[in-house]
Amino acid sequence: DSGVTQTPKHLITATGQRVTLRCSPRSGDLSVYWYQQSLDQGLQFLIQYYNGEERAKGNILERFSAQQFPDLHSELNLSSLELGDSALYFCASKPSLMNTEAFFGQGTRLTVV
Amino acid sequence: GENVEQHPSTLSVQEGDSAVIKCTYSDSASNYFPWYKQELGKGPQLIIDIRSNVGEKKDQRIAVTLNKTAKHFSLHITETQPEDSAVYFCAASEGYSTLTFGKGTMLLVSP
Repeated sequence: DSGVTQTPKHLITATGQRVTLRCSPRSGDLSVYWYQQSLDQGLQFLIQYYNGEERAKGNILERFSAQQFPDLHSELNLSSLELGDSALYFCASKPSLMNTEAFFGQGTRLTVV
Repeated sequence: GENVEQHPSTLSVQEGDSAVIKCTYSDSASNYFPWYKQELGKGPQLIIDIRSNVGEKKDQRIAVTLNKTAKHFSLHITETQPEDSAVYFCAASEGYSTLTFGKGTMLLVSP
């Protein structure tokens, strides 16, 4: 158990809908990363937050947004969902910006039908 | 930005054999190279890492080698066991910046 908690584990929704994925980092970890894992693209970095502020952006679509709350949990919002958004979404956390090891949650499997 | 290529995409070996997974990176500024193991239904977990001031690092049955000149690094698993079956990801970053991952290698170890 990495200490990173993601909910829900599975999510099935229809095209055009909006969903929210939740991540609770390890206790005390300030930095949160979101990744998308699809079969053909591997692990794609979406966005990073550090202590409530956006730190870095990767290949995140405009339909997607995220935030990190004062209690350090993070949410990834996916809207106007398309079939191609079906993937595993992982959250990872690090204690600070000066750490290299990232601790991953078990992921949320999103299926868009 | 950084680009990491990983080969092979799948690798099947017999129990007891060795397995080698190779990665190349594009950004010469990258200096941190971790390897993650992802078991079925779980998130990736760090198994070993190497920094650019080191050419090789070992931890029991696993080892990683780095060739900075050629910009490639490899994961070596000796005496493979069925529990080594998983997807392995290499990654690269410059210092503490965001990791760029390869597309993964599915390793199957047959008893």
